[in-house]
Order: sequence, then C-alpha cells, then structure tokens
Amino acid sequence: AQSVAQPEDQVNVAEGNPLTVKCTYSVSGNPYLFWYVQYPNRGLQFLLKYITGDNLVKGSYGFEAEFNKSQTSFHLKKPSALVSDSALYFCAVAAGTASKLTFGTGTRLQVTL
Amino acid sequence: NAGVTQTPKFQVLKTGQSMTLQCAQDMNHEYMSWYRQDPGMGLRLIHYSVGAGITDQGEVPNGYNVSRSTTEDFPLRLLSAAPSQTSVYFCASSYGDRPHETQYFGPGTRLLVL
Repeated sequence: AQSVAQPEDQVNVAEGNPLTVKCTYSVSGNPYLFWYVQYPNRGLQFLLKYITGDNLVKGSYGFEAEFNKSQTSFHLKKPSALVSDSALYFCAVAAGTASKLTFGTGTRLQVTL
Repeated sequence: NAGVTQTPKFQVLKTGQSMTLQCAQDMNHEYMSWYRQDPGMGLRLIHYSVGAGITDQGEVPNGYNVSRSTTEDFPLRLLSAAPSQTSVYFCASSYGDRPHETQYFGPGTRLLVL
C-alpha cells in the first residue's frame, strides 16, 4: 500500500525567509508525486508534480520541490516566503497503473511579517 | 471553462436523510473521483470512475453510492446520512486514468449531519 507522511502539522516562517514543507512517501514501484495548496474555504489547487527526469521540479507561485529517491522524500521549497503563501499544503502520491492519489495529512504554513 | 463545479456549497442533514452531492466538469475528462476531507486525516478517496458507465470503490466507500451516466457528471449519493459522514467533500477530475495525470478539484461541499 502507498502512503505519505507530512511530519509537521504547522510550519512558521517570517516573510522573506526561505520555507520548506516536508514530505516522505512509501510506494511499490516508481512514484508520481504532487503538491497541492488549499486556501481557507477553497478547493485544492495544483502546485507541481514529479513524474520523471530532473529531480528539481518548478511549479506555480515560485514554489519548487526536490525529489530524493534514496530518502523517499519530496520536500516543497520556496526561496522567499510571502504572507499570501499562508495556507494548507498537501503532498500526494500515485503509483502503478492507476490514478488513485494518496494524500498526506497536510501541513499548515503560517507566514508572518 | 468553469472547471469542476460542485453543488451545494453547504448542507445540513438529519440522521437518516438522503441527499445527492452534485459534481460536473466541462473539460471532457475521463477520470472523476470523490474525496472526503476530515481534520488531521488529509483527503481520502471514496469512489472513482474511469469513464461513463464505469465506477469503483476507493478507500472509504461505505455509506456512499455513485453512478456515471455521462462524461460530465459524477454525483455522490448518501442513502441514509450518519453523523460520521459530517465532512467536506471534494470532487476531482483528470484527463485520463494514469498515475501521472494531474487531478483538478472542485470548491467542495461542506456537509453537517445532525
């Protein structure tokens, strides 16, 4: 069975500082990894995904994520956080032949002035 | 494109009542799915469909029914609501049923069962 762990319930960072939101996964076979963001009372918005190739994936709003196969991780990063980045972030994984996504429990990012 | 739309936005039910959550997409996506979101548990897959006339169970299907008569619509039915079904429900769609496909989510339906 596939699974995703987001070890931090909340990450606090000051505006302008770099941010990292952690994600580790477990699957059989090659993983397909996704990051979604959820703003209050909204649906999930796609940020970026890793399929294959370059381990550093760039996505929307200046976010990027690094795939590390040996550590089974896919951490989300941004060089300079904005207050408007404050939201709930979900990591998800799919594998095999089907499109079933398994989500982590989410990490709340709080960016303060 | 409107993308993925869901109705209603919010609903209150009494235990034992039935209702249908509507989901529609205008992107001609073959794959559609329903998730529920509960605090501290992320999103869990309820049912999914790989095309019109084809549905299958996800991780937490009990208490829910689905059908897919058209490519555009994928309603979720609660036949006899229970307080444990209080949750936020999200519908999602993707072009195909492949693991690398990006799923696009609707705005959600918040359901309270008393």
